[in-house]
Amino acid sequence: SQQGEEDPQALSIQEGENATMNCSYKTSINNLQWYRQNSGRGLVHLILIRSNEREKHSGRLRVTLDTSKKSSSLLITASRAADTASYFCVYDRGSTLGRLYFGRGTQLTVWP
Amino acid sequence: DTGVSQDPRHKITKRGQNVTFRCDPISEHNRLYWYRQTLGQGPEFLTYFQNEAQLEKSRLLSDRFSAERPKGSFSTLEIQRTEQGDSAMYLCASSPQSTGANQPQHFGDGTRLSIL
Repeated sequence: SQQGEEDPQALSIQEGENATMNCSYKTSINNLQWYRQNSGRGLVHLILIRSNEREKHSGRLRVTLDTSKKSSSLLITASRAADTASYFCVYDRGSTLGRLYFGRGTQLTVWP
Repeated sequence: DTGVSQDPRHKITKRGQNVTFRCDPISEHNRLYWYRQTLGQGPEFLTYFQNEAQLEKSRLLSDRFSAERPKGSFSTLEIQRTEQGDSAMYLCASSPQSTGANQPQHFGDGTRLSIL
């Protein structure tokens, strides 16, 4: 399998709580990206972290990358109902072709 | 930035019919991708264009599927003799060419195909 594997498959929390999603992969990578998909819509790019970076922030998002453990995590702080979506991690092995490999994602539900 | 647009948003057709979808990428993006997504799964890569050249095709792209990008701008994906298993969301994405790490891909909202 060449896609990232997200964990958990489903996460249900209350507004205001933090949401943490994890991603594992099996090979060396060039970079790792997280995408969000609202139901019935296309995917939206959230954040990209390169293999030589350990942590990256964007607004309420914090992404970590541990290349020794081949894992990444996405933390959404102070979640909102609008954060309800599926979240996917995808990685790039350095190919110039750019194809992305997606896992099943984590379905996040934030209750108001 | 008008985003990636796909047409139609929904298509319902009978088994055995041919269907064609269109994707208009972001104008300055020379890379264009097609993905297919079934319920509960992540998108699966189908094919990729750089300008008008189709550089990679997945094994998922059987001989009933054909994609074109004749002038390096919009792209079409045609499915001939549709089957029940073709029911899915077909997503198009585009990105600028990168010299290093891959650029984020910008996705359209997809075409949902339902085969009766």
